[in-house]
Amino acid sequence: EVHLVESGGGLIKPGGSLRLSCSASGFSLTNVWMSWVRQAPGKGLESFGLIKSKFAGGTTQYAAFVKGRFTISRDDSKNTLYLQMDSLETEDSGVYYCSILGNPGYFDSWGQGTLVTVSS
Amino acid sequence: QTVVTQEPSFSVSPGGTVTLTCGLSSGSVSITYYPSWYRQTPGQAPRTLIYNTTTRSSGVPDRFSGSILGNKAALTITGAQADDESKYYCVFYMGSGNWVFGGGTKLTVL
Repeated sequence: EVHLVESGGGLIKPGGSLRLSCSASGFSLTNVWMSWVRQAPGKGLESFGLIKSKFAGGTTQYAAFVKGRFTISRDDSKNTLYLQMDSLETEDSGVYYCSILGNPGYFDSWGQGTLVTVSS
Repeated sequence: QTVVTQEPSFSVSPGGTVTLTCGLSSGSVSITYYPSWYRQTPGQAPRTLIYNTTTRSSGVPDRFSGSILGNKAALTITGAQADDESKYYCVFYMGSGNWVFGGGTKLTVL
């Protein structure tokens, strides 16, 4: 059974850094495209980054509003996806979800999310 | 910037049928945008319902169906149940790793 578990969220001051993890089980992260989606408090869903499968080159893509601040990576030996977040802003607060990207172009399985609060 | 429009709220009677719609500010919706639908209850992760316009995700009952209605994507729920009370989001895939999300429709069953 496919299972995703995010962790690493917490309270961080503006300008700080945080690394989120998404531990996968039931499948190999190497073989799938993965994305990060976030949800600000009381707001809707917003995707901002993806990493392609190893077969597709393993490259990453980011939305403009996180480009240069957020980095997605993968540790195949741990079957874990990471989101390194630097230069955090208050607007980055919210629940962060990792999701398997299905073909064509949809969000398949989701983790339970981890809460990030950026506040002084 | 492309905006996705969804009804902010909708209500349906238990056992009734409801159709939620999802439009694009840039024009008509087509299957080439691969519309997908998700539902989310407060404090929970989203759950995938429909992808590729009409395909039900694993485990989703056939009370849920997706379609294109006129120039919009649509999600129809038949035989509405109390636990269908959720927020329903539609998403369009614009290609090249870009998605646009609707703001969600809050469905009340009463």
